[in-house]
Amino acid sequence: SQTIHQWPATLVQPVGSPLSLECTVEGTSNPNLYWYRQAAGRGLQLLFYSVGIGQISSEVPQNLSASRPQDRQFILSSKKLLLSDSGFYLCASVVGEHEKLFFGSGTQLSVL
Amino acid sequence: AQSVTQPDIHITVSEGASLELRCNYSYGATPYLFWYVQSPGQGLQLLLKYFSGDTLVQGIKGFEAEFKRSQSSFNLRKPSVHWSDAAEYFCAVAMNTGFQKLVFGTGTRLLVSP
Repeated sequence: SQTIHQWPATLVQPVGSPLSLECTVEGTSNPNLYWYRQAAGRGLQLLFYSVGIGQISSEVPQNLSASRPQDRQFILSSKKLLLSDSGFYLCASVVGEHEKLFFGSGTQLSVL
Repeated sequence: AQSVTQPDIHITVSEGASLELRCNYSYGATPYLFWYVQSPGQGLQLLLKYFSGDTLVQGIKGFEAEFKRSQSSFNLRKPSVHWSDAAEYFCAVAMNTGFQKLVFGTGTRLLVSP
């Protein structure tokens, strides 16, 4: 079965610093990959999804970007973090239309 | 666009009592429906999902959910709650054309009292 590795688990960064969160998937190939964010008191928001290498779709305009340099690697980045970027970030993967969504363990990002 | 509403932000249930978490969705057709649980410090785990067929869906950990088209609802139930069920529960909906736009509700935090 699929395993999603996401790191780091927690991260504290100053405003204006860069960000790189990495997600890798094992146990499958050619998955659809997703980055979600859960802000305090809010639900999960889809940030980016990717159906293949180099293919990125952005759901909401924001300070973040995503890249997929390899089939099972999905990276979330920012050049300059904002306070509003704080939240819990989840990477997810799904293979096939009716396969379930697998989630990583998440990264708690605090921007101070 | 589809949306998901979970009207209860917090729910407290006594251990051993029954549980029902509410979920309503807005979508022009029958979507795919999901319930996820997020335990403290962990990612999400799928409890159950509905695609088609029997409207009463059985999931893991003794949970079930019933799809009611007339009410646009997909409420989660458990007959007897255990202390380990304390967590955040998310209802989610996806268009039946694929998973690209899975939309989550804001979540319901379940507290279990002794």
